[in-house]
Amino acid sequence: NAGVTQTPKFRVLKTGQSMTLLCAQDMNHEYMYWYRQDPGMGLRLIHYSVGEGTTAKGEVPDGYNVSRLKKQNFLLGLESAAPSQTSVYFCASRDGFGEQYFGPGTRLTVT
Amino acid sequence: RKEVEQDPGPFNVPEGATVAFNCTYSNSASQSFFWYRQDCRKEPKLLMSVYSSGNEDGRFTAQLNRASQYISLLIRDSKLSDSATYLCVVNREGGNQFYFGTGTSLTVIP
Repeated sequence: NAGVTQTPKFRVLKTGQSMTLLCAQDMNHEYMYWYRQDPGMGLRLIHYSVGEGTTAKGEVPDGYNVSRLKKQNFLLGLESAAPSQTSVYFCASRDGFGEQYFGPGTRLTVT
Repeated sequence: RKEVEQDPGPFNVPEGATVAFNCTYSNSASQSFFWYRQDCRKEPKLLMSVYSSGNEDGRFTAQLNRASQYISLLIRDSKLSDSATYLCVVNREGGNQFYFGTGTSLTVIP
């Protein structure tokens, strides 16, 4: 039982490049979330999903897209990376009690 | 006004001390409350949910005060391993979004 996994763990992009972050969970949770964490800002919600085939915007969705084609996977895409997207990205899945389980994070630097 | 506010600290306490953190939330419709722990450069991990009547898990006690809109976390007999950042998390009734505080840093000193 791996819980929540994220790939890649680290990435450096140049401005304008694109990439996809993959999140996978094996707990059969309906809800999945993508957050970013920046110094002094706390975790901020980018997008979330309440089930397979659904997505919704969070607090800071601009510049990101997501897809949930399979229940266990939640993908976060950056179509044209900007230095402002340098951050640590965490994926989480949530159980029926509202408790969230986080992946180990992806450290992204955009130069 | 931020949804959730925490004193960032840092709190530096000796081993064995008791320390308490508060977290205030702005939306009276908030329904679910949690404390997470985050170690340096690691992911947040659930420490405990906070129930209306208050709850205890070993050395940790969580309380909810709806009238004043805050939750608290009390750590008794602090251990070196308690050194971490403690995040307060709030969810509105019927909502799918969770709001995180910026965290309170705790260092337990030998």
